[in-house]
Amino acid sequence: EVVLTQSPATLSLSPGERATLSCRASQSISRYLAWYQQKPGQAPRLLISDASNRATGIPARFSGSGSGTDFTLTISSLEPEDFAVYYCQQRYNWPRTFGQGTKVEIK
Amino acid sequence: EVHLLESGGGLVQPGGSLRLSCATSGFSFSSYAMSWVRQAPGRGLEWVSTISESGGSTYYADSVKGRFTLSRDNSKNMLYLQMNSLRAEDTAVYYCAKEAPAYQNWGQGTLVTVSS
Repeated sequence: EVVLTQSPATLSLSPGERATLSCRASQSISRYLAWYQQKPGQAPRLLISDASNRATGIPARFSGSGSGTDFTLTISSLEPEDFAVYYCQQRYNWPRTFGQGTKVEIK
Repeated sequence: EVHLLESGGGLVQPGGSLRLSCATSGFSFSSYAMSWVRQAPGRGLEWVSTISESGGSTYYADSVKGRFTLSRDNSKNMLYLQMNSLRAEDTAVYYCAKEAPAYQNWGQGTLVTVSS
């Protein structure tokens, strides 16, 4: 099973700041990694697929990078609506797995 | 517009059964694999099961293998999750999701509570 480890667990930032979230895989997963955003009481929303492909309707301030075992989600300038929990997820093999999440909170 | 609507959740005793349904619209259902992902209260996301476009292949998390059965009816654009021998640790919001190939679209979720 591929274990995804996200860091940090919590990121405290102010609006307008840059957010950098990390996801590390326990083995190489090529570029088969996705990022999701989840707000309280809502279903997750796909942000990035295959490491760097922004999903339809996702603002350009969200970008993904990485391959192999190390991946990054960057939010270039935080908007008030970006404070949420972010999950990474791999589709390289079965079982599909998610990281434990990074909470981006207002400082 | 893609729409996914889960139903069938509720309160069930340990050892009991439930059948979740996911009604879909707005896309060619038979062209996409479909999955269930769950989230226990206050916890992260956990993949549960995936079914291929035709229904010929299914995949399960070890935590539910042998107890849950995923199926689909492409003529009705419906996805089903039969859950047997339910345990307290199955308590969660269950989401159905369309794979394209990441989980591109999600339903609003249905809550399953396993408790005596």
